Amino acid sequence: EAGVTQFPSHSVIEKGQTVTLRCDPISGHDNLYWYRRVMGKEIKFLLHFVKESKQDESGMPNNRFLAERTGGTYSTLKVQPAELEDSGVYFCASSFYEQYFGPGTRLTVT
Amino acid sequence: AQSVTQLDSQVPVFEEAPVELRCNYSSSVSVYLFWYVQYPNQGLQLLLKYLSGSTLVKGINGFEAEFNKSQTSFHLRKPSVHISDTAEYFCAVSAAAGGSQGNLIFGKGTKLSVKP
Repeated sequence: EAGVTQFPSHSVIEKGQTVTLRCDPISGHDNLYWYRRVMGKEIKFLLHFVKESKQDESGMPNNRFLAERTGGTYSTLKVQPAELEDSGVYFCASSFYEQYFGPGTRLTVT
Repeated sequence: AQSVTQLDSQVPVFEEAPVELRCNYSSSVSVYLFWYVQYPNQGLQLLLKYLSGSTLVKGINGFEAEFNKSQTSFHLRKPSVHISDTAEYFCAVSAAAGGSQGNLIFGKGTKLSVKP
């Protein structure tokens, strides 16, 4: 069974540009989570989808971040425009009961 | 709201020695407790979890943890570590909700470095 996949594995962009991160959950998992780890800090929750609906987006830092989950399958997280403080590793996880994490996308904003 | 404190940011240890990685939490509601491990260039992998029942939980790779409600702790232990245990370890909690994991609150992580 394929695990959670994330694309790209690494992205380097300039401040002000737009980046879109993608997460493909494990097939059949209705729950999809996004987390972020800024360097030196703890991994923090961003938002939670149940199927295509946003169940909880209390962790989204500001309105430069937009998450979508088309048809309850894959999800995208867009950052527009990117700022220096957005640099970090973005993790996606999917679950039925237990969360399975993807390898993360390392975002560097210069 | 919940919070998690991992008391050691780095733990160096020699191969075959025992190790304990400390985790304390605070919460106003019942919680589930987890330890995750991240090996270099990989994602997070669940080591073990406490949902209910026995307070001593055994996980993969010979790790175990003990839930202590009075001390609000969930320390991770292994009696004899290997070089391959070198990784970063994360303690996490979620609000207890019918056996299903909710949003996870993580500690800052502990880097375990096993030396030959």
